[in-house]
Amino acid sequence: DVKVTQSSRYLVKRTGEKVFLECVQDMDHENMFWYRQDPGLGLRLIYFSYDVKMKEKGDIPEGYSVSREKKERFSLILESASTNQTSMYLCASSLDLPGNYGYTFGSGTRLTVV
Amino acid sequence: QKEVEQNSGPLSVPEGAIASLNCTYSDRVSQSFFWYRQYSGKSPELIMSIYSNGDKEDGRFTAQLNKASQYVSLLIRDSQPSDSATYLCAPSGGNEKLTFGTGTRLTIIP
Repeated sequence: DVKVTQSSRYLVKRTGEKVFLECVQDMDHENMFWYRQDPGLGLRLIYFSYDVKMKEKGDIPEGYSVSREKKERFSLILESASTNQTSMYLCASSLDLPGNYGYTFGSGTRLTVV
Repeated sequence: QKEVEQNSGPLSVPEGAIASLNCTYSDRVSQSFFWYRQYSGKSPELIMSIYSNGDKEDGRFTAQLNKASQYVSLLIRDSQPSDSATYLCAPSGGNEKLTFGTGTRLTIIP
């Protein structure tokens, strides 16, 4: 089974801190995605990457950046955390185009910014 | 109009009955459709995919697709308490990324 591992299950950070959320997949998937999930708003795409060193903005990239230095690792960076970034963050990967096989999600990181 | 619309629920269904979950989408170029199950506090888990008009069955689950009506549904037969979860509909649009509905919360009543 494909495993998508997010390094932290719960995180509490202070306003203004730089926050790193790590995601690693172990099945050589080309494509990786970062979503946030909020009640009533569903899953919203922040950034995605179809290849190493490549990144594309999703629907809500403001306040975030990403890094993909190796194929298996996709990091989400909150440059200066704010309380409105308190959310559940979900990393996902797909073997091929998402329309072929869908995504596999990591277990999620619940981030609280105080 | 939202890209993917689902009734947020909660939808309450007696144990053993059929649960019917519905989803409409706006992107006419969508070709692939996925249903995810998400338990409270957990991440989404892929349970069904459908690519062609008609029905696709997998165990107690049946996905139905009507591209002309831009409508996809999920039926769960012989509903069990373990089916209580939020179900997310996710078409794959022309940009090949998945777009998620906000989900339908299903509760199976013993």
